[in-house]
Amino acid sequence: SQKIEQNSEALNIQEGKTATLTCNYTNYSPAYLQWYRQDPGRGPVFLLLIRENEKEKRKERLKVTFDTTLKQSLFHITASQPADSATYLCALEGYSTLTFGKGTMLLVSP
Amino acid sequence: DAGITQSPRHKVTETGTPVTLRCHQTENHRYMYWYRQDPGHGLRLIHYSYGVKDTDKGEVSDGYSVSRSKTEDFLLTLESATSSQTSVYFCAISESTLAGSTDTQYFGPGTRLTVL
Repeated sequence: SQKIEQNSEALNIQEGKTATLTCNYTNYSPAYLQWYRQDPGRGPVFLLLIRENEKEKRKERLKVTFDTTLKQSLFHITASQPADSATYLCALEGYSTLTFGKGTMLLVSP
Repeated sequence: DAGITQSPRHKVTETGTPVTLRCHQTENHRYMYWYRQDPGHGLRLIHYSYGVKDTDKGEVSDGYSVSRSKTEDFLLTLESATSSQTSVYFCAISESTLAGSTDTQYFGPGTRLTVL
């Protein structure tokens, strides 16, 4: 089965800086990978999807990269804001299902 | 927000009692999923459905059963609840357009279940 690793330690950064979160996986490379945001007490919310033939995907201040050779995806938030504080989950596709990482908590201080 | 509701939102029950959680969608999406989320384990798939009366097991299906008699409703049943089933349960929906693939998932607000 697919193993997914995300930093278990919280990432603390200052407002205005770029936050970079890492998602590493083992076994097969998925056809695509997704990133979700989860706020305390709420369900995850979809942010971005990147396919295996895409090196990079952007949406406003968000950028995702996907390196199938390294088996790694990086998730960047530029010009971070306190409102970006949340847990970010990566998810890899399977057959009709997704496998989620445990998530990394991001804390952006003013 | 996608039209997904879960009921109840909170429940406290005793070991050995049956519990049923309900997920209801208004999006007419084909796929529905039940996850549990626990500290240190993240989100884990319990069961999922790919159509009315069509279901399959996920990673942590032992002790759980599901039913889907209508497109909009997906029920999760704990036949005899145990303390290890204390968790937050999330329902999700997805409208897959490609065979064998999955689209974006939209999550419900969650149900917090405590088994004493």
